[in-house]
Amino acid sequence: QVTLRESGPALVKPTQTLTLTCTFSGFSLSTSGMCVSWIRQPPGKALEWLARIDWDDDKYYSTSLKTRLTISKDTSKNQVVLTMTNMDPVDTATYYCARGYSYGYYAFDIWGQGTMVTVSS
Amino acid sequence: DIQMTQSPSSLSASVGDRVTITCQASQDISNYLNWYQQKPGKAPKLLIYDASNLETGVPSRFSGSGSGTDFTFTISSLQPEDIATYYCQQYDNLPPGYTFGQGTKLEIK
Repeated sequence: QVTLRESGPALVKPTQTLTLTCTFSGFSLSTSGMCVSWIRQPPGKALEWLARIDWDDDKYYSTSLKTRLTISKDTSKNQVVLTMTNMDPVDTATYYCARGYSYGYYAFDIWGQGTMVTVSS
Repeated sequence: DIQMTQSPSSLSASVGDRVTITCQASQDISNYLNWYQQKPGKAPKLLIYDASNLETGVPSRFSGSGSGTDFTFTISSLQPEDIATYYCQQYDNLPPGYTFGQGTKLEIK
């Protein structure tokens, strides 16, 4: 059974750096073609893709947020970490990690439950 | 970046109705188009991938069609448990990136 679970602070202050961890099981990020993405959703708004890391450590970022994002993985721990710098109240959202594939199938087939992050002083 | 225009933004229909949602891409995306269902407080669930393929375990009343820039998502006979918000999502491979539509909130009339 494939599962993903997000963890991180529920509250961050403006200008701080957010660090989120996605811990997964049931698949390996060392398997060819596997990838994990981060996606967020502000309250009452649409989904927004943030970043992706592939099995071979290739990394891709949202054009609008790439200067603030860093994605990394620890294959031995089955974890993917996302950092977002210079947090602002508009970054208040539920942050999801999701499994994907880097070729042949470009959907997010399994999602974590999400973690709500509020940015406020 | 490729933009996705999803319509309508909200929809009210009766149980048993046929429901259709459309998504238009700002440029040709072949069949790199997926559909998700999101119920309140829950993560999105993949329903349709590559425009027209039903994800395993998803009821056959859900279907998708289209290619290029115009795509359609259909529920053939609306059920009470289908009340949710539906999103389309495209994939762009140059460079790799994803865009979601603005969502369609589906309610029971």
